[in-house]
Amino acid sequence: DGGITQSPKYLFRKEGQNVTLSCEQNLNHDAMYWYRQDPGQGLRLIYYSQIVNDFQKGDIAEGYSVSREKKESFPLTVTSAQKNPTAFYLCASSGRQGAGYGYTFGSGTRLTVV
Amino acid sequence: SQQGEEDPQALSIQEGENATMNCSYKTSINNLQWYRQNSGRGLVHLILIRSNEREKHSGRLRVTLDTSKKSSSLLITASRAADTASYFCATDPDSWGKLQFGAGTQVVVTP
Repeated sequence: DGGITQSPKYLFRKEGQNVTLSCEQNLNHDAMYWYRQDPGQGLRLIYYSQIVNDFQKGDIAEGYSVSREKKESFPLTVTSAQKNPTAFYLCASSGRQGAGYGYTFGSGTRLTVV
Repeated sequence: SQQGEEDPQALSIQEGENATMNCSYKTSINNLQWYRQNSGRGLVHLILIRSNEREKHSGRLRVTLDTSKKSSSLLITASRAADTASYFCATDPDSWGKLQFGAGTQVVVTP
């Protein structure tokens, strides 16, 4: 079955450490997105990519980095520069722009700073 | 920045009742979408309504869109306990498909 796989489901980070969240899709979608969800604040866009080898900053990109070397994969690195990384991270993908298919979401990664 | 704002923030109803939630947004849109999120899970796409549409149905869901008031509503009819979830509206303000989400309405349906 086609879908998006995020891993790990839970991740613990020590102060000053970089961590990478995985996002893989087999839907043949061109566009992929990373959102951060904090309690009561909805989803905020971190980075998005419309095509392989290209990505753009979203509303809260500081302290995060991404790569898009393959169509299927869009990993997110939470760097030590992100001062408040504890949150629920959601990856999503979509098909052709304006096609009206909506987003397909992964099941999320919950990151906690210890 | 959040484009959409849902109202109410929380809603508690009994099985069989209807649930209505509203979404207001600030700028022009290509389309507006509604999603459901069960606790601790990813979001699931429910329905999309384009800017030139006024009403859309999908099963027990009915969505309306009023672009003059920049608002949308989601109606869930004959609710079930399984409808307990958070519901988010999301707007697509341009042709790039970069959705902006509201803070959501938390719906609890009690048997």
